[in-house]
Amino acid sequence: QSALTQPASVSGSPGQSITISCTGTSSDVGGYNYVSWYQQHPGKAPKLMIYEVSNRPSGVPDRFSGSKSGNTASLTISGLQAEDEADYYCSSYTSSSTVVFGGGTKLTVL
Amino acid sequence: QVQLQESGPGLVKPSQTLSLTCTVSGGSISSGGYYWSWIRQHPGKGLEWIGYIYYSGSTYYNPSLKSRVTISVDTSKNQFSLKLSSVTAADTAVYYCARATTAMVTFDYWGQGTLVTVSS
Repeated sequence: QSALTQPASVSGSPGQSITISCTGTSSDVGGYNYVSWYQQHPGKAPKLMIYEVSNRPSGVPDRFSGSKSGNTASLTISGLQAEDEADYYCSSYTSSSTVVFGGGTKLTVL
Repeated sequence: QVQLQESGPGLVKPSQTLSLTCTVSGGSISSGGYYWSWIRQHPGKGLEWIGYIYYSGSTYYNPSLKSRVTISVDTSKNQFSLKLSSVTAADTAVYYCARATTAMVTFDYWGQGTLVTVSS
């Protein structure tokens, strides 16, 4: 199974909005509404930010939102804050009953 | 509050078997509804799903690792384990255990991770 495709890096200024894309195939992202997004700060375990494409776990700010169109899922962070600077990973269920992650995107808050 | 904690050797010799255990507290593995998972991260790289196990013993593995991976569960100890055979330097990584919910891709609780280095 191939990793989902994410941009290596994105950046934005405080208060701005950014979007991170996650492109797969009809056998994963496009075939199921089972896409999750994770935030990882250096040296820390990943943290669940979005599940089932667009749902936020309790405690995750509503500045974080998710969506999907076709084979591409997206994570949007509005009102960027310094603490949002981290690596972000998407993941998807696949038609083989397995899980595939994206390569990760480094978010820099300028 | 569910907590997961990985344990096991931090150094493994090439060709040997890597063995890690994840101890779950704050919830019972045998209560069902969750998939108990292993995920790894090579130094400076992205996340790689290794596989998971349901409390009943059903397993699902990453096809690229399937021939070398065994995940097992011990409900009496509330633990699940990972064995990765015939390791090489390419298996050097931080290994995380995690709990997955619906459709097996929502990893809502993670261990802190443990670095395993493969070296002679």
